[in-house]
This record gives sequence, C-alpha cells and structure tokens, in this order.
Amino acid sequence: RKEVEQDPGPFNVPEGATVAFNCTYSNSASQSFFWYRQDCRKEPKLLMSVYSSGNEDGRFTAQLNRASQYISLLIRDSKLSDSATYLCVVNNVGFKTIFGAGTRLFVKA
Amino acid sequence: EAGVAQSPRYKIIEKRQSVAFWCNPISGHATLYWYQQILGQGPKLLIQFQNNGVVDDSQLPKDRFSAERLKGVDSTLKIQPAKLEDSAVYLCASTDRGASYGYTFGSGTRLTVV
Repeated sequence: RKEVEQDPGPFNVPEGATVAFNCTYSNSASQSFFWYRQDCRKEPKLLMSVYSSGNEDGRFTAQLNRASQYISLLIRDSKLSDSATYLCVVNNVGFKTIFGAGTRLFVKA
Repeated sequence: EAGVAQSPRYKIIEKRQSVAFWCNPISGHATLYWYQQILGQGPKLLIQFQNNGVVDDSQLPKDRFSAERLKGVDSTLKIQPAKLEDSAVYLCASTDRGASYGYTFGSGTRLTVV
C-alpha cells in the first residue's frame, strides 16, 4: 500500500461546479498535512495546510479525518483557472514529507 | 522576496554522461530539499539539508547521485553516470520554518536522458 494515495482522475467538471478530492495516508502517526497545486510543466505551489478543525480559504475547504486517515479538498464554484493537478502531502514523524501522485482537474466552460 | 532559483531550466544528455544542477534558496532559508518528479508521479525527496548538513538522504541513489551545500546557502546536485530512468524534473525547495509549514519550490530543471 502506498503511503499516500490519491485518485488520479482526471476530474472533468463544468465551470461553477463543486468538486471534491480525497487522499488517504497509511501512517497513523502523520503529523501535518497539505494540499499543493501544480500547473502543467510548473512547480508545485502550496495551496493550503490542513488542520484537524478543518480550514477554509475562499472557495477552497480542506478537512482532515484522523480516525479514517484521509484528507479532503473541496472546491466550490469551480473556475477555468482551477484546472491543475492537486497534490496531497503528508509529513510523518521526523518530518519525512510524502507527496501523493496528484489528482488532475479539468474545468470546462 | 526573490524565490528559489534553479538552473539550468532544461538539460538533454546522453546516458552515461554526467550532469549538475544548481539551486539558490530563498535568502535566510536554512532548510533545502532536492526532489525528483517523474512524469505522472508526485515529487520524491532525494536529499534534505539543514544549513550545510545532511538531514535525510535515505532515498538518494548514492552510487550515482551526489549533492552538496558547502556554505549553507546554494546547493548542487550531480548525477554521474546518468541513466535513462533519471529523466525527470529536479525540483529544489526551501523553508525557514520547517516542513510542518510547507515550503517553496523553484521552477525545476527538466532532465532528459537519451
């Protein structure tokens, strides 16, 4: 089993749609969690941290479920500019950072 | 604030040749990482430096890869000799607050080994 697993997609959604991605992790001792966004042929960029209490940044909401060992990212009112690959990232004990393979999102007009 | 600088942007070499990549982190960032990202995969950590010391190089193929950060600022990653499977984007990242706060990546070096 991979340490961090994501549905590779692609997710094809129309503008204005709500879309959600899940990511599961195998190490129950994982300490911190993030979502990164990666545009085609660009470097990953930090989108948001994920806290146990959940957090929201505009149209983006991230949640953590430690009991089930998954994190989620919800995007509301999708824009064309949201088209990208979304990488789930988990920091384990000793701050070993593990990246998922990413979920591709295409938002269409 | 200037970002993480990497060079070159692209490199094409033949197998068994050597290649070197350079990274200059954000000023003041003590922690520097080199990642390898193969097409369709997430980035994989190769090596982590804290100032000029190695924190984690457990996934660095040491028979062919080497990295240094002599003065605790910029860093070089070398591959010698290169193999076809080394074709990937090599990303450098840095942080001043530890991995638990996320970090900033450079634009990467795209290596093609033919």
